[in-house]
Amino acid sequence: GEDVEQSLFLSVREGDSSVINCTYTDSSSTYLYWYKQEPGAGLQLLTYIFSNMDMKQDQRLTVLLNKKDKHLSLRIADTQTGDSAIYFCAENGGGTSYGKLTFGQGTILTVHP
Amino acid sequence: GAGVSQSPSNKVTEKGKDVELRCDPISGHTALYWYRQSLGQGLEFLIYFQGNSAPDKSGLPSDRFSAERTGGSVSTLTIQRTQQEDSAVYLCASSLVGTSGANVLTFGAGSRLTVL
Repeated sequence: GEDVEQSLFLSVREGDSSVINCTYTDSSSTYLYWYKQEPGAGLQLLTYIFSNMDMKQDQRLTVLLNKKDKHLSLRIADTQTGDSAIYFCAENGGGTSYGKLTFGQGTILTVHP
Repeated sequence: GAGVSQSPSNKVTEKGKDVELRCDPISGHTALYWYRQSLGQGLEFLIYFQGNSAPDKSGLPSDRFSAERTGGSVSTLTIQRTQQEDSAVYLCASSLVGTSGANVLTFGAGSRLTVL
């Protein structure tokens, strides 16, 4: 079945860049997603990338996709204390699995002043 | 409604009791999902409803768990004879699923279940 893996923790200083990594196993993934969860809240979509793309930039966020290695990363430039949260990557498969999203375990990002 | 609404936001129950968790999706969204979030377990898929198709129940951990979606809208997740390991946050999400394009899920704030 599908599997999505992330490292569990990342700690950075305010103003530095953060890079959160994710690997997945489903080669038929059509889209890959990054969600953010703040304390006590549900998940919010940050950005997504189509599997035929290798990069997408959206303000401070840069998503890189290496489809050959099934590796996805999220870079947050100029990280702020408000970026402290749990970040989840997710993928949806192709065909009959298209509607179902599989999530990773989440990476807890802590930003120190 | 404007967002996905879940109730109750917090539920404390005794081991062995049944609980029902409710999800009110965004109006017009055809797909509805239940996920479970436990410490150290990340986000675990439970069940997925899409339109009139048979639900994908492949993530339900045991036959004590069931879910239904009435009239293609509101969904109820029922856990029978609760156990302490059922303690978690249960998240509901909905989306407008087509046959192509990104499938963007909108999540509710979750129902935190504590089994004593």
